[in-house]
Amino acid sequence: NVMLTQPHSVSESPGKTVTISCTRSSGSIASTYVHWYQQRPGSAPTTVIYEDNQRPSGVPDRFSGSIDTSSNSASLTISGLKTEDEADYYCQSYDSDNHAYVFGTGTKVTAL
Amino acid sequence: QLQLQESGPGLVKPSETLSLTCIVSGGSTSTSSYYWAWIRQGPGKGLEWIGSFDYSGNTFHNPSLKSRVSISVDTSENQVSLKLRSVTAADTAVYYCARHEFMTFHFDHWGQGTLVTVSS
Repeated sequence: NVMLTQPHSVSESPGKTVTISCTRSSGSIASTYVHWYQQRPGSAPTTVIYEDNQRPSGVPDRFSGSIDTSSNSASLTISGLKTEDEADYYCQSYDSDNHAYVFGTGTKVTAL
Repeated sequence: QLQLQESGPGLVKPSETLSLTCIVSGGSTSTSSYYWAWIRQGPGKGLEWIGSFDYSGNTFHNPSLKSRVSISVDTSENQVSLKLRSVTAADTAVYYCARHEFMTFHFDHWGQGTLVTVSS
């Protein structure tokens, strides 16, 4: 079964840039879309990036997404980090062989 | 605007069946473009997809839970239901109802979640 592996945590000073990776264990990262969700404590997840690199209305352009077939991974980049960006972030994709929806292991972002 | 609201018992005894309902408002469950799903999150843990269902009866379940899970959609009541049989303490979690797109697999709307504790 497909697994999506993320770093457990990343931290950076406010104003800096952080990048979260999401590595797919099997099958091509480009085979199905990757979506990214932000989850603040006690709240439901909300989308920050969908379809690899699309930003929903209301999400600041400081958030961007990309995929890299050479490393079979997707990335979420937050530029100009703000304290309000502190949250858990999850990538998500689809395992077509098993008809299963897969979430990444999650990354806690901290603005030092 | 589409809204999803989960409801159900907050406490379930071990070996019993967990039953939750998700009321959908501001949109219809009888649409061919979307699936309706349940996702859970154990205490301090990540997100785990439980299963998905569309109004025509197509269903997909997490292989690790498949034999214990039933998901259904009542289009007349605009509700999505989850039943999880033979629960144990490991099933203690916040359970979310969500909608996802058929073609892109993007979970674009989520309920606020409801905490279910399995304990005697």
